[in-house]
Amino acid sequence: GESVGLHLPTLSVQEGDNSIINCAYSNSASDYFIWYKQESGKGPQFIIDIRSNMDKRQGQRVTVLLNKTVKHLSLQIAATQPGDSAVYFCTFLSGGYNKLIFGAGTRLAVHP
Amino acid sequence: EAQVTQNPRYLITVTGKKLTVTCSQNMNHEYMSWYRQDPGLGLRQIYYSMNVEVTDKGDVPEGYKVSRKEKRNFPLILESPSPNQTSLYFCASSFREFSTDTQYFGPGTRLTVL
Repeated sequence: GESVGLHLPTLSVQEGDNSIINCAYSNSASDYFIWYKQESGKGPQFIIDIRSNMDKRQGQRVTVLLNKTVKHLSLQIAATQPGDSAVYFCTFLSGGYNKLIFGAGTRLAVHP
Repeated sequence: EAQVTQNPRYLITVTGKKLTVTCSQNMNHEYMSWYRQDPGLGLRQIYYSMNVEVTDKGDVPEGYKVSRKEKRNFPLILESPSPNQTSLYFCASSFREFSTDTQYFGPGTRLTVL
């Protein structure tokens, strides 16, 4: 079935360092991927997206890389800050764009 | 302020007692959906609606009902809740079915069924 897997359930980084969160997906037919951030007690919040015709997209302090050959997605956060502490989900669209497939999430812990 | 609201935010109930979790959005979005979040499983879609009076099952619809009589509201109904429905529930909406449209999530409803 369709699934999204994450390489690490928890990632601890020092404030100011760069963070890389990795994700593997199984559905080669998906052409749209989204990263969400979920802070404690809140719903997921959109961070950045990427279409399959791209291999890199940059936002403010965040970069998403897509490797379709090995079905791998990564989120890079530059100069990680305490406010970046959250659970990060990579997701992809399925079912004719009616459904988001979520992975289990990676918890990012930023230490001073 | 553009937002998705859910009520209640927290609910403790007993097995078999019907309950409704309300969801409302003020962005005139056509697409709305419900997810449940369980530890280690991420979010799984329960039901979705592409417009008024149009609803369809997601991945885990058993034990749930929904209705979409108005564009802004999408209530989740548990006719006879059971302990395995103890979970964190999120409502979400977007302008239309996906394409590249961002989905906005509500703050969540934590449900405990005893």
